[in-house]
Amino acid sequence: DAGVTQSPTHLIKTRGQQVTLRCSPKSGHDTVSWYQQALGQGPQFIFQYYEEEERQRGNFPDRFSGHQFPNYSSELNVNALLLGDSALYLCASSPEVVQGYGYTFGSGTRLTVV
Amino acid sequence: AQSVSQHNHHVILSEAASLELGCNYSYGGTVNLFWYVQYPGQHLQLLLKYFSGDPLVKGIKGFEAEFIKSKFSFNLRKPSVQWSDTAEYFCAVNTGFQKLVFGTGTRLLVSP
Repeated sequence: DAGVTQSPTHLIKTRGQQVTLRCSPKSGHDTVSWYQQALGQGPQFIFQYYEEEERQRGNFPDRFSGHQFPNYSSELNVNALLLGDSALYLCASSPEVVQGYGYTFGSGTRLTVV
Repeated sequence: AQSVSQHNHHVILSEAASLELGCNYSYGGTVNLFWYVQYPGQHLQLLLKYFSGDPLVKGIKGFEAEFIKSKFSFNLRKPSVQWSDTAEYFCAVNTGFQKLVFGTGTRLLVSP
């Protein structure tokens, strides 16, 4: 059990469509980060949410947006999907107050864009 | 910008062989260092981390890593691998509460 829950596990979308991925952090964790893992690559940071605000952002276009809710759960939205958006999307959570904690990762959502 | 280099993309070992996976990072300040493992079909799991103190860090499943600040390295070691260690291993670095920057990963295959 990862402690971090992501849904759905798999998704197939058509180019140009929009997608929403969801994440429930591990109990006690208030910070949520999203990563994109392309095939054969390490995870790439998309953005991080804390206190319902985007705190940090990686090198991803504005088509990628997110949201954090008062219960700390989070959504990742991707608009105008491209074939290159096909990847495993990982959600990671951590407790803000614990320096150097690292992150607990979910099992991911496998997005295929056709 | 921080970056992480993992030198070995694929490693094949026989059971009981010793393992060392290289990891180098580029960042001049204080860093936190991590090794994550991804078993086939499973989520990323934390193997071990270095935050401060003893540069030799012991993690789960018999893994250890040594932080050598002068070499900007954080190599992962295990004296004797098992078939169940077959997985992909990722080195990662961050500073404070910031994002994790991952290497490209090393796929380890342990033959029985």
